[in-house]
Amino acid sequence: EAGVTQSPTHLIKTRGQQVTLRCSPISGHTSVYWYQQALGLGLQFLLWYDEGEERNRGNFPPRFSGRQFPNYSSELNVNALELEDSALYLCASSLAWNYGYTFGSGTRLTVV
Amino acid sequence: AQTVTQSQPEMSVQEAETVTLSCTYDTSESDYYLFWYKQPPSRQMILVIRQEAYKQQNATENRFSVNFQKAAKSFSLKISDSQLGDAAMYFCAYRSAQETSGSRLTFGEGTQLTVNP
Repeated sequence: EAGVTQSPTHLIKTRGQQVTLRCSPISGHTSVYWYQQALGLGLQFLLWYDEGEERNRGNFPPRFSGRQFPNYSSELNVNALELEDSALYLCASSLAWNYGYTFGSGTRLTVV
Repeated sequence: AQTVTQSQPEMSVQEAETVTLSCTYDTSESDYYLFWYKQPPSRQMILVIRQEAYKQQNATENRFSVNFQKAAKSFSLKISDSQLGDAAMYFCAYRSAQETSGSRLTFGEGTQLTVNP
């Protein structure tokens, strides 16, 4: 069984640009979660999608957004990139909100 | 809001020895879940062990066990017979049992574990 896959693995963007990160959950998992792991700040919850809807959102500005597609894959979009957006972005999936997570290996975003 | 604190940024242990990683948390909820995750250099977060707050018995997974003290809001991880492959960053995490907030994990700052041969 394929795990949670994220693409790309690494990305370098310029301040002010926009970026899209992608996540494919484990087959059968309907919930997708996004976390930001910035150096020195630990893992911070970004977004939770379930059945195509945004269910919960962390304390991030509106320029962080995303969506979930009918096949349960998900995109995370970040507009107007800032230097402090440089981080590892982790995606996780689960069967439902109260089931355990499985994490992907993340996308390393560097903003210069 | 819940908070999770790991007071040991770094720990080291000799191969085959035992090490304990500390975690404390703050919550007003009575029902919740606690987790230990491991993040090796590959970056993928791997679940090590899980504890339901309503269970008094401490969870055990092979060489990994926890000491869950609900009243003290303490959740430490014991790794027995440490192996080189245990070297990683370890994160303690909290999750509410309520649906609206239970979807998210609140993580501690992490403890970097080094295993010396």
